[in-house]
Amino acid sequence: AQSVTQLGSHVSVSEGALVLLRCNYSSSVPPYLFWYVQYPNQGLQLLLKYTSAATLVKGINGFEAEFKKSETSFHLTKPSAHMSDAAEYFCAVSESGGSYIPTFGRGTSLIVHP
Amino acid sequence: DAGVIQSPRHEVTEMGQEVTLRCKPISGHDYLFWYRQTMMRGLELLIYFNNNVPIDDSGMPEDRFSAKMPNASFSTLKIQPSEPRDSAVYFCASSLRFLGNSPLHFGNGTRLTVT
Repeated sequence: AQSVTQLGSHVSVSEGALVLLRCNYSSSVPPYLFWYVQYPNQGLQLLLKYTSAATLVKGINGFEAEFKKSETSFHLTKPSAHMSDAAEYFCAVSESGGSYIPTFGRGTSLIVHP
Repeated sequence: DAGVIQSPRHEVTEMGQEVTLRCKPISGHDYLFWYRQTMMRGLELLIYFNNNVPIDDSGMPEDRFSAKMPNASFSTLKIQPSEPRDSAVYFCASSLRFLGNSPLHFGNGTRLTVT
């Protein structure tokens, strides 16, 4: 069975500071991993995905995530936060060879202070 | 492409009334998903379809909820009768040839308020 844990329901950073959003997963087979972003009053949008190619994945808006099998982690980072990054971020996992239906984490709200 | 289109964006209704939410997936996508989002429970998968056929409805909370997909370009989620605890944001999402590594494309959701 697959599961996702996002550590911290809220993360607060200053504009220009490093953004780090944590995601740990559980999967009995090699996973596919995703980060989605949700802006207020909108649906979720794909930020980036890991599909067993490079372990460091680059996404839109300067975000990237690193797949670490030994730590079962897929943390999302951005070197310098911008006010427009304030949103809800969701990590999701689906199992290759399984039902493929993704399991979503509870989400982390990113707050950016001027 | 216009993306996944949901209507209405907002729905306010009284307890006991029937509510119908609508979704038009992205053309050519084989899979369609209905999710519900609340502060308490996060994002919950209610039901999903493959080629217009319901595959798994185990997430549908109770018999008051029903979903249909009469053709590849239209799906509905119906609640009858509605209750205040159904208040949530309901999302529709579609995916192309879902093989686990295909992302979901979400609509902007319908915010349902049942008074």
